[in-house]
Amino acid sequence: GAVVSQHPSRVICKSGTSVKIECRSLDFQATTMFWYRQFPKQSLMLMATSNEGSKATYEQGVEKDKFLINHASLTLSTLTVTSAHPEDSSFYICSARDQQGLTNEKLFFGSGTQLSVL
Amino acid sequence: KQEVTQIPAALSVPEGENLVLNCSFTDSAIYNLQWFRQDPGKGLTSLLLIQSSQREQTSGRLNASLDKSSGRSTLYIAASQPGDSATYLCAVLFPGTYKYIFGTGTRLKVLA
Repeated sequence: GAVVSQHPSRVICKSGTSVKIECRSLDFQATTMFWYRQFPKQSLMLMATSNEGSKATYEQGVEKDKFLINHASLTLSTLTVTSAHPEDSSFYICSARDQQGLTNEKLFFGSGTQLSVL
Repeated sequence: KQEVTQIPAALSVPEGENLVLNCSFTDSAIYNLQWFRQDPGKGLTSLLLIQSSQREQTSGRLNASLDKSSGRSTLYIAASQPGDSATYLCAVLFPGTYKYIFGTGTRLKVLA
């Protein structure tokens, strides 16, 4: 199956700093990637849809200036949490849609990034 | 509003039991439904994908069914093992928004 690599797996940072999370599709091209946020024992909440070469589409209630998304190539999307605060501490997961193969509607997920803001 | 709900929220069973996890969605017009497994602190692993035109999919001890008319899907796990312990999530791809909506998840614990 397709592989999505997400780095880093864990980040601990001070309040006010910015953190960048990378999401790469390793063996397929992903024109669309998705960023999710998950609080403990809760389900995934879609934050934004990242489209290669264009601006990301943010879900209602998600601050686009707070969560900067860049999808500069067909295999890489980045999420930058700017001026992070303790309430931004969460588990962030990316996913990519493989639209080239037979399973063109299937989502493949990265391993997630646990962000802890002190 | 398109919503996906999973019942039960948590389940604890002895090893060897067959079990059923339920997923309900509010809109019968869907593209597909996908079942995932999530281990603590990890990403999601896709288990089964059911297209809108399909009624069920099987993979090893797992069988997923889809009944669009009633807005339901079930994940059947046969002969459960301690290694099956994880959170199981269903996600539905709806037309229009073309986004996956995730269910609330079922936390499964299989006791040895």
